[in-house]
Amino acid sequence: GAVVSQHPSRVICKSGTSVKIECRSLDFQATTMFWYRQFPKKSLMLMATSNEGSKATYEQGVEKDKFLINHASLTLSTLTVTSAHPEDSSFYICSARAGPTYEQYFGPGTRLTVT
Amino acid sequence: AQSVTQLDSQVPVFEEAPVELRCNYSSSVSVYLFWYVQYPNQGLQLLLKYLSGSTLVKGINGFEAEFNKSQTSFHLRKPSVHISDTAEYFCAVRGADGLTFGKGTHLIIQP
Repeated sequence: GAVVSQHPSRVICKSGTSVKIECRSLDFQATTMFWYRQFPKKSLMLMATSNEGSKATYEQGVEKDKFLINHASLTLSTLTVTSAHPEDSSFYICSARAGPTYEQYFGPGTRLTVT
Repeated sequence: AQSVTQLDSQVPVFEEAPVELRCNYSSSVSVYLFWYVQYPNQGLQLLLKYLSGSTLVKGINGFEAEFNKSQTSFHLRKPSVHISDTAEYFCAVRGADGLTFGKGTHLIIQP
């Protein structure tokens, strides 16, 4: 299957700083990328959907000014957590697909810890 | 809109015993169903999927699932589990806006 990578796999940052997480589709062009957040022992919560070259569509309750998503190319999307707080600590997983009828492939996740 | 219900949050089973993880769905469009496995601190790995055709779908690691349209179910089964199957399992349905996940079932294998 296709490969999606995330970087970094783990990051620790101080409260008030910003952190950027990268999601790359390594062997296909992803017209759509998805960002999920997973709390401990919980399911995946879709945060936003981004189409290449367009603004991301955020799910209800997700602050778009706090979680900045950029999908500037067909192989790269970034999630920037701005002014991070300890409650932003979570496991963030990205997913990518080549088109509406194509399978979604998942990245390995990024563990964010805000101290 | 679509939704997925995983009735069991946790399923304990003895090693080498059979297991069934339940999943029910609702969808207003064509039904495409998936099961994913997540090991601790890792992303999701696709176990199997139903897109069309045979209602019995075989996946990796000896898992299989049966699509039952009348029961709106897509239960996951394995005839004999191994300690390495300990993980979180997610059922998902695909809609126009991407995948909708169930809350997950934690499979606990007891020696």
